[in-house]
Amino acid sequence: RKEVEQDPGPFNVPEGATVAFNCTYSNSASQSFFWYRQDCRKEPKLLMSVYSSGNEDGRFTAQLNRASQYISLLIRDSKLSDSATYLCVVNSPGGYNKLIFGAGTRLAVHP
Amino acid sequence: ETGVTQSPTHLIKTRGQQVTLRCSSQSGHNTVSWYQQALGQGPQFIFQYYREEENGRGNFPPRFSGLQFPNYSSELNVNALELDDSALYLCASSLSNSPLHFGNGTRLTVT
Repeated sequence: RKEVEQDPGPFNVPEGATVAFNCTYSNSASQSFFWYRQDCRKEPKLLMSVYSSGNEDGRFTAQLNRASQYISLLIRDSKLSDSATYLCVVNSPGGYNKLIFGAGTRLAVHP
Repeated sequence: ETGVTQSPTHLIKTRGQQVTLRCSSQSGHNTVSWYQQALGQGPQFIFQYYREEENGRGNFPPRFSGLQFPNYSSELNVNALELDDSALYLCASSLSNSPLHFGNGTRLTVT
């Protein structure tokens, strides 16, 4: 079983749509959670951290369910510029800053 | 503030050769991590350096080695290159356990 699992997609949605991505992680001792965004042939960039109480940044909302070991990302009012791969990321417990990435979910927003 | 820079951006090597990739960390960051990202996959943790010593290692063979210098810059060395080593190699810097900031990556092709 992979440590972080995501639906690879692709998700093809029209502009203005709401889209949700889900992710599960296997290590219940994980403490830090993130969503990174990666454009084609570019480096991953931190989109947002994910907190237990849920958090929002503009059109983006992240949720964490520790009991189910489940993380989600909701994008409202999709823009063409949101087209990218979204990587679910978990910080491995172990005393150093090791990130474990899912394989990513591709999003394509079309006019 | 200078971000993470990597060199070279692209590299083509032959199976069996050795390669050295370089990374300059973001100003003020003391920790450097290296990741390998194969096509269609999320980045995989190779190792991390803190204060010039390896601070953690992923599931990579000993022919993957690294260095960190007093100015916190770093090198990734790969010996006896194999075709499967073809990937995007990402360097990320951080200040202890703060979020990782990735460089643009080095795309390595092994033929």
